[in-house]
Amino acid sequence: DTAVSQTPKYLVTQMGNDKSIKCEQNLGHDTMYWYKQDSKKFLKIMFSYNNKELIINETVPNRFSPKSPDKAHLNLHINSLELGDSAVYFCASSFQGQHYGYTFGSGTRLTVV
Amino acid sequence: GEDVEQSLFLSVREGDSSVINCTYTDSSSTYLYWYKQEPGAGLQLLTYIFSNMDMKQDQRLTVLLNKKDKHLSLRIADTQTGDSAIYFCAESPTASKLTFGTGTRLQVTL
Repeated sequence: DTAVSQTPKYLVTQMGNDKSIKCEQNLGHDTMYWYKQDSKKFLKIMFSYNNKELIINETVPNRFSPKSPDKAHLNLHINSLELGDSAVYFCASSFQGQHYGYTFGSGTRLTVV
Repeated sequence: GEDVEQSLFLSVREGDSSVINCTYTDSSSTYLYWYKQEPGAGLQLLTYIFSNMDMKQDQRLTVLLNKKDKHLSLRIADTQTGDSAIYFCAESPTASKLTFGTGTRLQVTL
């Protein structure tokens, strides 16, 4: 199926751990994004990559490091997890410059205990 | 700056029309969108409108844009229980970055 797929769907981990979330799209899009949705459902962009190059890097702690091995993949690695990192992380993709919106993954619910 | 505001909650009866409102501040926004998020799911694009349009209709959905007041609305006709979800408006000056509103939770009652 054509889609944006994220793994894992749920992630529960202890404070201080390092974890990664993976995202893959098979839509042929050239731009991928990470968004964070907090407990109040507020969505904020974190990063954007176009053809493996970082183009948007919002004010995000250095503990968050995105990596794009190719234009179909965008992973998010988080070091030294904190309680405040608990959220749903959404990956999305699009064609750069297109105005028809993004295609979103179904989200990764991260819970830090 | 970018700031997109929505009312948090709307309750309507099945069969009635729903109107979800959104205000934005970035006057350079060229494209405006409505997304729907069902529980436990990602965001699904419902519709979009270019800033040179005042209205766009797509089946039960009608989008109205008042560019002077920076006001966007989404009307859902004949609202069904399956329309219960969170609705986000989003603006995009360049289409390379979407700024989302705070989301409106629509509850449809029988």
